[in-house]
Amino acid sequence: GAVVSQHPSRVICKSGTSVKIECRSLDFQATTMFWYRQFPKQSLMLMATSNEGSKATYEQGVEKDKFLINHASLTLSTLTVTSAHPEDSSFYICSASENRDYGYTFGSGTRLTVV
Amino acid sequence: GQQLNQSPQSMFIQEGEDVSMNCTSSSIFNTWLWYKQDPGEGPVLLIALYKAGELTSNGRLTAQFGITRKDSFLNISASIPSDVGIYFCAGEDNTGGFKTIFGAGTRLFVKA
Repeated sequence: GAVVSQHPSRVICKSGTSVKIECRSLDFQATTMFWYRQFPKQSLMLMATSNEGSKATYEQGVEKDKFLINHASLTLSTLTVTSAHPEDSSFYICSASENRDYGYTFGSGTRLTVV
Repeated sequence: GQQLNQSPQSMFIQEGEDVSMNCTSSSIFNTWLWYKQDPGEGPVLLIALYKAGELTSNGRLTAQFGITRKDSFLNISASIPSDVGIYFCAGEDNTGGFKTIFGAGTRLFVKA
């Protein structure tokens, strides 16, 4: 089945630094990938839709300059949290779909802690 | 915006019991999905529903796409300890792009 690999699984960074999270579709091509954010004991909130070869589409309230998304190839999307602050600490998850009929496959998530 | 109301918020059951959870929405969705999430992991798709009225099973799991396209339920029969986790319903809106909206989740606790 479709596999989505997300890396790193955990990262701790200092305030003011930037962190890059990668999302790869391992055995299929994905023109669209999605980035979610999940706070403890809460649901997944869609942050943005990553489109291969074009600009990402951000959800209302998500700062595009804060959360930079690059979808440079059909198998890789990256989310960069720029100038991270403690309030950016969260669980970030990506998803992609090989075939619309089979639903979306999620990455294993990245736990970001900003200290 | 679109919202999903998922209930119950949490359930504490005995091993072997059946479980039922549901989601409702004020909006129509073209697809209903049910996911399970283990701690520290991404959600895993359990069942996908594409047609109003559709009833689909996956082992001990059964889910239905409501006839109005505004609701769905998930049943788990004969629960086992490994069923513990958070179950999310998700509605997919195909208009203007495939956007998935998630319910708040149902936390299931199974006592052996």
